[in-house]
Amino acid sequence: SQTIHQWPATLVQPVGSPLSLECTVEGTSNPNLYWYRQAAGRGLQLLFYSVGIGQISSEVPQNLSASRPQDRQFILSSKKLLLSDSGFYLCAWSRGRNTEAFFGQGTRLTVV
Amino acid sequence: TQLLEQSPQFLSIQEGENLTVYCNSSSVFSSLQWYRQEPGEGPVLLVTVVTGGEVKKLKRLTFQFGDARKDSSLHITAAQPGDTGLYLCAGNFGNEKLTFGTGTRLTIIP
Repeated sequence: SQTIHQWPATLVQPVGSPLSLECTVEGTSNPNLYWYRQAAGRGLQLLFYSVGIGQISSEVPQNLSASRPQDRQFILSSKKLLLSDSGFYLCAWSRGRNTEAFFGQGTRLTVV
Repeated sequence: TQLLEQSPQFLSIQEGENLTVYCNSSSVFSSLQWYRQEPGEGPVLLVTVVTGGEVKKLKRLTFQFGDARKDSSLHITAAQPGDTGLYLCAGNFGNEKLTFGTGTRLTIIP
């Protein structure tokens, strides 16, 4: 069976510090991978998605970047965090277009 | 850029009542999905609809896809406290990008 791991679950970081959130998928190959950010009680904002190794599509110009160094690994990074980067970050995978997305447990990021 | 608007944003009703929430798009969906999310967790898929006019039922939940494939509705009959959660629609528009709606926060009062 397929599983998705996302860590850490919570993170408190000072303004100006770097960020690295990691997501890995097991039990499948060549998945589509997604990073979303969610404000409290609201919908999911798509940040990045990837259809293969090294292929990253950015949806929103911002202080974040993503990388896919391996087929089932997706990393969200920032060189210098802003207060506005606080939020709930979710990683997801799917088998392709028009298919179900499976989500990790999320990372609650608080920038102070 | 495709936008998915959901309405209402918040809905609070008594147990046993019926309700409908809506999802509208500025573009035609190639497919549409409905998810439910509990606090602190990721969304979980409820249903996928692909064909215009399609209706799917999941126990007390009825999902309808608009004929033009630009809108969808979720109807809950005899709501129960266990239905409480954030309901999200999501769509593909002919590519790999999965865009989510603005969400409806549903609270069922016992």
